[in-house]
Amino acid sequence: QVQLQESGPGLVKPSQTLSLTCSVSDDSMNSGAYYWSWIRQPAGKGLQWIGRVESSGDTDYSPSLKSRVTMSLDKSKRQFSLNLTSVTAGDTAIYYCAREMAAALFFDSWGRGAQVTVSS
Amino acid sequence: YDLTQPLSVSVALGQTAVISCEGDNIGSKNVHWYQQKAGQAPVLVIYRDRRRPSGIPERVSGSVSQNTATLTIARAQAGDESDYYCQVWDANTLDVVFGGGTKLTVL
Repeated sequence: QVQLQESGPGLVKPSQTLSLTCSVSDDSMNSGAYYWSWIRQPAGKGLQWIGRVESSGDTDYSPSLKSRVTMSLDKSKRQFSLNLTSVTAGDTAIYYCAREMAAALFFDSWGRGAQVTVSS
Repeated sequence: YDLTQPLSVSVALGQTAVISCEGDNIGSKNVHWYQQKAGQAPVLVIYRDRRRPSGIPERVSGSVSQNTATLTIARAQAGDESDYYCQVWDANTLDVVFGGGTKLTVL
């Protein structure tokens, strides 16, 4: 069973860039059968997809966040990353990384989540 | 694209819980469901409308009609108390869409 683990600063100042990394426990990043996604959840609210990066390096971003998001992956390190620029308090949330099945676009494995707070 | 779920559903212990997810022509999409217990990450419980991942009991099932997807949990247990989310891929907006979530309470 693959395991995913988010890491990065828990506190980011307004207007700065939120950066997170997800470490993947096995070699599934080398497979085109999977995409690698970020999803966030503000406290007490629902889930919001941020975007995905494919094993090829191609990316798709949610239209609502597209202008501020960049994702990449490093298969040699078994890691993929998220950068979200110009953050505000509205970006405060738990950020999850997840493995997405490419054929049917569902998330079969999730990290435990990383709390990120935007505050000065 | 919007997915509408009831905010809450209550079910008596041992009875059947039904959680709906409404969306325009949702029957034409693949619908997936996640269970999220308090303080934990979501877990996939149904994918492609009605398929169960390994480890999910047979009493959890999914179905889809033209405009409504349904998650059914038979013989509800205290451990089923969770938030449940439906999810689809919207090919028009190129976006993953989640329903707002339903809190299931087992009485």
